Amino acid sequence: EAGVVQSPRYKIIEKKQPVAFWCNPISGHNTLYWYLQNLGQGPELLIRYENEEAVDDSQLPKDRFSAERLKGVDSTLKIQPAELGDSAVYLCASSPSGGATGELFFGEGSRLTVL
Amino acid sequence: KQEVTQIPAALSVPEGENLVLNCSFTDSAIYNLQWFRQDPGKGLTSLLLIQSSQREQTSGRLNASLDKSSGRSTLYIAASQPGDSATYLCVLNMEDSGYSTLTFGKGTMLLVSP
Repeated sequence: EAGVVQSPRYKIIEKKQPVAFWCNPISGHNTLYWYLQNLGQGPELLIRYENEEAVDDSQLPKDRFSAERLKGVDSTLKIQPAELGDSAVYLCASSPSGGATGELFFGEGSRLTVL
Repeated sequence: KQEVTQIPAALSVPEGENLVLNCSFTDSAIYNLQWFRQDPGKGLTSLLLIQSSQREQTSGRLNASLDKSSGRSTLYIAASQPGDSATYLCVLNMEDSGYSTLTFGKGTMLLVSP
Protein backbone atom coordinates (compact mmCIF):
# COMPACT_ATOMS: atom_id res chain seq x y z
CA GLU A 1 0.00 0.00 0.00
CA ALA A 2 1.35 3.40 -0.96
CA GLY A 3 2.09 5.84 1.81
CA VAL A 4 1.40 9.57 1.87
CA VAL A 5 2.77 11.05 -1.35
CA GLN A 6 3.94 14.63 -1.61
CA SER A 7 5.31 16.65 -4.48
CA PRO A 8 7.52 18.37 -5.29
CA ARG A 9 10.21 17.16 -2.89
CA TYR A 10 12.23 20.30 -3.41
CA LYS A 11 11.35 23.76 -4.67
CA ILE A 12 13.51 26.85 -4.99
CA ILE A 13 11.84 30.12 -5.85
CA GLU A 14 12.48 33.83 -5.57
CA LYS A 15 10.55 35.87 -3.06
CA LYS A 16 7.17 37.16 -4.17
CA GLN A 17 6.71 34.17 -6.48
CA PRO A 18 3.85 31.71 -5.94
CA VAL A 19 4.36 28.06 -5.05
CA ALA A 20 2.07 25.07 -4.62
CA PHE A 21 2.49 21.73 -2.88
CA TRP A 22 0.43 18.64 -3.50
CA CYS A 23 -0.44 15.78 -1.17
CA ASN A 24 -2.10 12.44 -1.83
CA PRO A 25 -3.02 10.77 1.47
CA ILE A 26 -3.29 7.07 2.12
CA SER A 27 -6.42 5.65 0.54
CA GLY A 28 -9.38 5.76 2.90
CA HIS A 29 -7.84 8.28 5.29
CA ASN A 30 -10.42 10.94 6.09
CA THR A 31 -8.16 13.21 8.12
CA LEU A 32 -5.43 15.19 6.39
CA TYR A 33 -2.96 17.61 7.94
CA TRP A 34 -0.50 20.15 6.60
CA TYR A 35 2.43 20.98 8.86
CA LEU A 36 5.33 23.41 8.61
CA GLN A 37 8.68 22.34 10.03
CA ASN A 38 11.63 24.64 10.51
CA LEU A 39 15.13 23.29 10.97
CA GLY A 40 15.61 21.76 14.40
CA GLN A 41 11.99 22.26 15.39
CA GLY A 42 8.96 20.05 15.65
CA PRO A 43 6.15 20.29 13.10
CA GLU A 44 3.62 23.10 13.50
CA LEU A 45 0.06 22.65 12.30
CA LEU A 46 -1.12 24.80 9.41
CA ILE A 47 -4.47 23.21 8.62
CA ARG A 48 -6.44 20.04 9.31
CA TYR A 49 -9.15 18.54 7.12
CA GLU A 50 -11.89 16.08 7.94
CA ASN A 51 -12.85 14.87 4.48
CA GLU A 52 -13.22 18.09 2.47
CA GLU A 53 -13.92 20.33 5.47
CA ALA A 54 -11.15 22.42 7.01
CA VAL A 55 -11.87 21.93 10.71
CA ASP A 56 -8.83 23.78 12.03
CA ASP A 57 -7.11 26.49 10.01
CA SER A 58 -6.45 28.86 12.88
CA GLN A 59 -2.67 28.73 12.35
CA LEU A 60 -2.79 29.23 8.59
CA PRO A 61 -1.55 32.72 7.55
CA LYS A 62 -4.52 33.41 5.36
CA ASP A 63 -3.12 36.56 3.81
CA ARG A 64 -0.71 34.48 1.74
CA PHE A 65 -1.48 30.81 2.37
CA SER A 66 -4.42 28.88 1.03
CA ALA A 67 -5.33 25.22 0.93
CA GLU A 68 -7.98 23.05 -0.57
CA ARG A 69 -9.03 19.44 -0.47
CA LEU A 70 -11.47 18.87 -3.27
CA LYS A 71 -13.52 15.67 -3.05
CA GLY A 72 -11.91 14.91 0.28
CA VAL A 73 -8.90 13.13 -1.18
CA ASP A 74 -5.89 15.04 -2.58
CA SER A 75 -4.94 18.38 -1.13
CA THR A 76 -3.03 21.41 -2.35
CA LEU A 77 -1.26 24.02 -0.24
CA LYS A 78 -0.44 27.31 -1.93
CA ILE A 79 1.69 30.27 -0.93
CA GLN A 80 1.30 33.55 -2.81
CA PRO A 81 3.44 35.56 -2.62
CA ALA A 82 6.26 33.66 -0.92
CA GLU A 83 8.49 35.43 1.59
CA LEU A 84 12.00 34.62 2.76
CA GLY A 85 10.65 33.38 6.09
CA ASP A 86 8.55 30.73 4.35
CA SER A 87 11.64 28.64 3.72
CA ALA A 88 10.89 25.39 5.54
CA VAL A 89 9.74 21.84 5.03
CA TYR A 90 6.01 21.41 4.44
CA LEU A 91 4.76 18.07 5.68
CA CYS A 92 1.49 16.36 4.85
CA ALA A 93 0.05 13.68 7.11
CA SER A 94 -3.07 11.55 7.12
CA SER A 95 -4.98 9.44 9.59
CA PRO A 96 -7.68 6.83 9.00
CA SER A 97 -10.47 8.19 11.21
CA GLY A 98 -11.41 11.43 12.90
CA GLY A 99 -8.00 11.02 14.41
CA ALA A 100 -9.19 9.85 17.79
CA THR A 101 -7.39 6.53 17.79
CA GLY A 102 -5.89 6.31 14.35
CA GLU A 103 -2.23 6.10 13.58
CA LEU A 104 -0.69 9.13 11.90
CA PHE A 105 1.34 8.76 8.71
CA PHE A 106 3.57 11.40 7.17
CA GLY A 107 4.81 12.04 3.68
CA GLU A 108 8.46 12.79 2.89
CA GLY A 109 7.81 16.52 2.88
CA SER A 110 8.34 19.34 0.42
CA ARG A 111 11.39 21.47 1.13
CA LEU A 112 10.93 25.10 0.10
CA THR A 113 13.78 27.54 -0.31
CA VAL A 114 12.86 31.16 -0.94
CA LEU A 115 15.71 33.32 -2.27
CA LYS B 1 -3.04 23.58 26.94
CA GLN B 2 -1.05 20.41 26.45
CA GLU B 3 2.72 20.79 26.75
CA VAL B 4 5.12 18.09 25.64
CA THR B 5 8.74 17.98 26.72
CA GLN B 6 11.40 15.63 25.44
CA ILE B 7 14.56 15.04 27.39
CA PRO B 8 17.38 14.94 26.52
CA ALA B 9 17.42 17.23 23.50
CA ALA B 10 20.45 15.36 22.17
CA LEU B 11 22.12 12.10 23.04
CA SER B 12 25.32 10.48 21.84
CA VAL B 13 26.09 6.85 22.67
CA PRO B 14 28.44 4.13 21.45
CA GLU B 15 27.02 1.27 19.45
CA GLY B 16 25.51 -1.55 21.50
CA GLU B 17 24.22 0.52 24.39
CA ASN B 18 20.66 0.32 25.60
CA LEU B 19 19.07 3.74 25.92
CA VAL B 20 15.92 5.50 27.03
CA LEU B 21 14.31 8.56 25.54
CA ASN B 22 11.81 10.47 27.63
CA CYS B 23 8.62 12.30 26.78
CA SER B 24 6.60 14.11 29.44
CA PHE B 25 3.22 15.78 29.08
CA THR B 26 0.98 17.95 31.22
CA ASP B 27 -2.54 16.75 30.34
CA SER B 28 -3.25 13.04 30.74
CA ALA B 29 -6.60 13.11 28.91
CA ILE B 30 -5.16 11.72 25.71
CA TYR B 31 -6.40 9.40 22.99
CA ASN B 32 -2.99 8.01 22.23
CA LEU B 33 0.72 8.72 21.99
CA GLN B 34 2.88 8.00 18.98
CA TRP B 35 6.66 7.83 18.62
CA PHE B 36 8.30 8.80 15.34
CA ARG B 37 11.80 8.92 13.97
CA GLN B 38 12.95 11.51 11.49
CA ASP B 39 16.08 11.20 9.42
CA PRO B 40 17.69 14.40 8.07
CA GLY B 41 15.78 15.77 5.11
CA LYS B 42 13.06 13.14 5.46
CA GLY B 43 9.52 12.93 6.73
CA LEU B 44 8.46 11.32 9.99
CA THR B 45 8.32 7.54 10.19
CA SER B 46 5.93 5.99 12.69
CA LEU B 47 7.60 3.67 15.20
CA LEU B 48 5.02 2.82 17.83
CA LEU B 49 1.46 3.88 18.69
CA ILE B 50 0.18 3.45 22.24
CA GLN B 51 -3.53 3.87 22.84
CA SER B 52 -4.73 5.53 26.03
CA SER B 53 -5.81 2.19 27.48
CA GLN B 54 -2.46 0.54 26.86
CA ARG B 55 0.70 0.56 28.97
CA GLU B 56 3.28 -0.40 26.39
CA GLN B 57 3.99 -1.44 22.83
CA THR B 58 6.93 -3.34 21.40
CA SER B 59 8.42 -3.60 17.94
CA GLY B 60 11.72 -5.37 17.49
CA ARG B 61 14.36 -3.61 19.57
CA LEU B 62 11.96 -0.81 20.48
CA ASN B 63 9.68 -0.67 23.49
CA ALA B 64 7.48 2.28 24.34
CA SER B 65 5.68 2.70 27.63
CA LEU B 66 2.90 5.02 28.71
CA ASP B 67 2.13 6.16 32.25
CA LYS B 68 -0.70 8.66 32.12
CA SER B 69 -0.81 9.17 35.87
CA SER B 70 2.71 10.57 35.87
CA GLY B 71 2.45 12.15 32.43
CA ARG B 72 5.32 10.19 30.99
CA SER B 73 6.25 7.99 28.09
CA THR B 74 9.59 6.37 27.45
CA LEU B 75 11.06 4.89 24.30
CA TYR B 76 13.56 2.15 25.06
CA ILE B 77 16.03 1.18 22.34
CA ALA B 78 17.93 -2.04 22.95
CA ALA B 79 21.38 -2.75 21.54
CA SER B 80 21.60 0.53 19.65
CA GLN B 81 23.05 0.60 16.15
CA PRO B 82 24.46 3.44 13.99
CA GLY B 83 21.35 3.13 11.83
CA ASP B 84 19.29 4.25 14.82
CA SER B 85 20.82 7.71 14.52
CA ALA B 86 17.94 10.10 13.91
CA THR B 87 15.67 12.53 15.70
CA TYR B 88 12.93 10.89 17.75
CA LEU B 89 9.66 12.74 18.35
CA CYS B 90 6.71 11.92 20.54
CA VAL B 91 3.26 13.14 19.58
CA LEU B 92 0.21 13.31 21.82
CA ASN B 93 -3.29 13.00 20.42
CA MET B 94 -6.12 14.42 22.50
CA GLU B 95 -9.67 15.66 22.11
CA ASP B 96 -10.39 19.27 21.24
CA SER B 97 -13.86 20.51 20.28
CA GLY B 98 -14.93 17.10 19.10
CA TYR B 99 -11.84 16.46 17.03
CA SER B 100 -8.41 15.23 17.83
CA THR B 101 -5.56 17.64 18.24
CA LEU B 102 -1.90 16.70 18.04
CA THR B 103 0.91 18.13 20.14
CA PHE B 104 4.51 17.45 19.16
CA GLY B 105 7.59 17.36 21.31
CA LYS B 106 10.70 19.08 19.95
CA GLY B 107 12.50 15.77 19.64
CA THR B 108 15.63 14.04 20.86
CA MET B 109 18.51 13.92 18.40
CA LEU B 110 20.26 10.57 18.78
CA LEU B 111 23.72 9.76 17.48
CA VAL B 112 24.98 6.19 17.76
CA SER B 113 28.66 5.93 16.94
CA PRO B 114 30.27 2.73 15.67
